[in-house]
Amino acid sequence: NAGVTQTPKFRVLKTGQSMTLLCAQDMNHEYMYWYRQDPGMGLRLIHYSVGEGTTAKGEVPDGYNVSRLKKQNFLLGLESAAPSQTSVYFCASSYDGQTYEQYFGPGTRLTVT
Amino acid sequence: KQEVTQIPAALSVPEGENLVLNCSFTDSAIYNLQWFRQDPGKGLTSLLLIQSSQREQTSGRLNASLDKSSGRSTLYIAASQPGDSATYLCAVYGNNRLAFGKGNQVVVIP
Repeated sequence: NAGVTQTPKFRVLKTGQSMTLLCAQDMNHEYMYWYRQDPGMGLRLIHYSVGEGTTAKGEVPDGYNVSRLKKQNFLLGLESAAPSQTSVYFCASSYDGQTYEQYFGPGTRLTVT
Repeated sequence: KQEVTQIPAALSVPEGENLVLNCSFTDSAIYNLQWFRQDPGKGLTSLLLIQSSQREQTSGRLNASLDKSSGRSTLYIAASQPGDSATYLCAVYGNNRLAFGKGNQVVVIP
């Protein structure tokens, strides 16, 4: 039981490049989330999903897209990376949003130059 | 919009002292409150989850209380140890999302 895993762990991009971050969970959770963590700003929700095939915008969705084609995977895409997207990205999952705790992955450290 | 505040931002205590960390939130319409621990460069580890109908939760040396009406939660760590040094994050769940405070950075001095 691996919990929540994230790929890759580190990445450096140049401005304008694109990439996809992969989150996978093996706990059969319905809900999945993408957050970013920045110094002085705390963790902020980018997008979330309440089940396979669904996605919704969070607090800071601009510049990101997501997909949840399989229940266990939640992908975060950056179509045209900007230096403002330099951050640590965390994925999380839970059975539901109200009763059960959220479990977090180890994070992806992304630098955009 | 839910605002979560954690005070103080940083604190140091000698080993053996009890730690008291405070969290306040502006909107009392929450489903639950979760306390996390984060070590430098690492992910978040869930410590305690308190449902909105509960007043407190305990796990080992950790005890968290919740007063939803006043918008406050307190995390107590008994007999602190150097291994408790970390950042502690409070988060409240409502409207399909967790809203996080910025954390209490704790250093336990041997």
